[in-house]
Amino acid sequence: AQSVTQLDSQVPVFEEAPVELRCNYSSSVSVYLFWYVQYPNQGLQLLLKYLSGSTLVKGINGFEAEFNKSQTSFHLRKPSVHISDTAEYFCAVGMDSNYQLIWGAGTKLIIKP
Amino acid sequence: ETGVTQSPTHLIKTRGQQVTLRCSSQSGHNTVSWYQQALGQGPQFIFQYYREEENGRGNFPPRFSGLQFPNYSSELNVNALELDDSALYLCASSGDPSRETQYFGPGTRLLVL
Repeated sequence: AQSVTQLDSQVPVFEEAPVELRCNYSSSVSVYLFWYVQYPNQGLQLLLKYLSGSTLVKGINGFEAEFNKSQTSFHLRKPSVHISDTAEYFCAVGMDSNYQLIWGAGTKLIIKP
Repeated sequence: ETGVTQSPTHLIKTRGQQVTLRCSSQSGHNTVSWYQQALGQGPQFIFQYYREEENGRGNFPPRFSGLQFPNYSSELNVNALELDDSALYLCASSGDPSRETQYFGPGTRLLVL
């Protein structure tokens, strides 16, 4: 069965420092991947997505992610975080067999001043 | 362009009751997916509707049912509510079932007492 693992439930980081949020998946079929952000008491907003082609994808708010098929990973990075990046980040994997999204448990990004 | 809207925003029910949640899809979208997000967890796929037909279902019992209307808005019905049904219910709309991005509404928070 397909699954998504977000290895860190919380990531504390100082403001203006770089951050990496990790996402690994397991699937035996072709996948496509998303990162979504959820601000407190709000719905999910798309940050970026990988469908095919270049493995480095750039998203909104300065975030980027790299798809690594051999390591089945799709880690999210930002070179310099801001207090406004405080939110929960979710990795999701979709499969062409049924177009359902399988979600990780989320990583809370905590920005320290 | 109107985004995805959901109603109500909050709801309190007692065990055994029935509830109906509503979702209006984004303009031009004919596919609606419903997710349950329990506190501290990632979303879990409930089911998807495409052009008024159920197009896939996650691991949820039959007391979770849905409808999609000719204007592509949708309802989620839950019968015989249980305490564990307390969660944020998210609706997402997209174009034809494919690798297209799902756009989420703000959610309905359901509390079952």
